[in-house]
Amino acid sequence: EAGVTQFPSHSVIEKGQTVTLRCDPISGHDNLYWYRRVMGKEIKFLLHFVKESKQDESGMPNNRFLAERTGGTYSTLKVQPAELEDSGVYFCASSPLTGENTGELFFGEGSRLTVL
Amino acid sequence: LAKTTQPISMDSYEGQEVNITCSHNNIATNDYITWYQQFPSQGPRFIIQGYKTKVTNEVASLFIPADRKSSTLSLPRVSLSDTAVYYCLVGTGYSTLTFGKGTMLLVSP
Repeated sequence: EAGVTQFPSHSVIEKGQTVTLRCDPISGHDNLYWYRRVMGKEIKFLLHFVKESKQDESGMPNNRFLAERTGGTYSTLKVQPAELEDSGVYFCASSPLTGENTGELFFGEGSRLTVL
Repeated sequence: LAKTTQPISMDSYEGQEVNITCSHNNIATNDYITWYQQFPSQGPRFIIQGYKTKVTNEVASLFIPADRKSSTLSLPRVSLSDTAVYYCLVGTGYSTLTFGKGTMLLVSP
């Protein structure tokens, strides 16, 4: 079974440019999360989708970040325009929507973003 | 969300048992305790989860005292490949899990 896949693994862009990160969750997982770690900091929550709906986007830093999950399958995270402080590793995670209370998230390997 | 406190780093040797303790004094009634492992350049990987008492799987054991204000992750007979950062997280199933600084475990030969 394929795990959570993220693309690209690494992106280098200039300040002011746009980047779109993609996440393909494990098939059948309705929960999809975005996290990020900026240099030297802790992994921080960005937002949570349940199917195609945004359940919680309290962690989104500002309106330069736009996350979508059309059709409730894969998700994209667009940063436009990118700033230097957006550099970091963006992780996507998914989990099934079950009645059990579990915190087991399945993480992808992350997309490293470098803004020059 | 419950705040967690854990050692910044720990050192061990191959074959030893490693116990990493996490404090979570303001854990809520519905909160579960979950541990993740992260290797460099990889995403966090679920290790174990528990609510109270003891939980054991093929990788680790999790000990939770009755007051649930702390928990201890036990890794039996560690190997070099167990060198990683270990995170203790507290929350409910669908809430936003908060990663702290984690514990950097270094296993030496």
